[in-house]
Amino acid sequence: EVQLLESGGVLVQRGGSLRLSCAASGFTFRTYAMSWVRQAPGTGLEWVSTIGGKSRSAYYADSVKGRFTISRDNSKNTLFLQMNSLRADDTARYFCARNRGDGFDSWGQGSVVTVSS
Amino acid sequence: SYELTQPPSVSVSPGQTARITCSGDALPKHYAYWYQQKPGQAPVLVIYKDSERPSGIPERFSGSRSGTTGTLTISGVQAEDEADYHCQSGDSSGTWVFGGGTKLTVL
Repeated sequence: EVQLLESGGVLVQRGGSLRLSCAASGFTFRTYAMSWVRQAPGTGLEWVSTIGGKSRSAYYADSVKGRFTISRDNSKNTLFLQMNSLRADDTARYFCARNRGDGFDSWGQGSVVTVSS
Repeated sequence: SYELTQPPSVSVSPGQTARITCSGDALPKHYAYWYQQKPGQAPVLVIYKDSERPSGIPERFSGSRSGTTGTLTISGVQAEDEADYHCQSGDSSGTWVFGGGTKLTVL
């Protein structure tokens, strides 16, 4: 069974930094691209970033480019999102999701990040 | 980047057909994907590549795409289908975009 478990979400001050983690199990992690998607309270989903299976490629939404960095450790089956220069509008639940190449077919339950202003 | 536009809400009675649209200029060139999200839960992929249904998704869920509009159709809507539905599309640069989401209410 595919499982994705996010962690690291906390209350942080504006301008601060935070690293989210997503522990994956139940599948061959290194063979899948992985993504982060966030959802601010009461709003829709917003794609944040995607990384290829071998970390050769990474893509970012314009809203986080230059501030967030996606990475992965295939030896530990873990996905990361380093978040710097946090702003109030980064407040959201952050989901990690597996890219099957035809959609995001598995999602974690998310980790809540709150940026205080 | 580009945008995908969905209606904020759709309401149907049980047993009727619900249609949720997703409009975007890039859709003629890129697939549409659809996710169901119930309150407090993670999204679930219900349609991929415009019209394909993942295993475990009921047959009443179907998808189509024509021009700049993708459509999620739920035939014979059941009370358990009440949820938010999000469309998604990608582009050749590796980025993705979601629509604003549609709240489906089963009357």
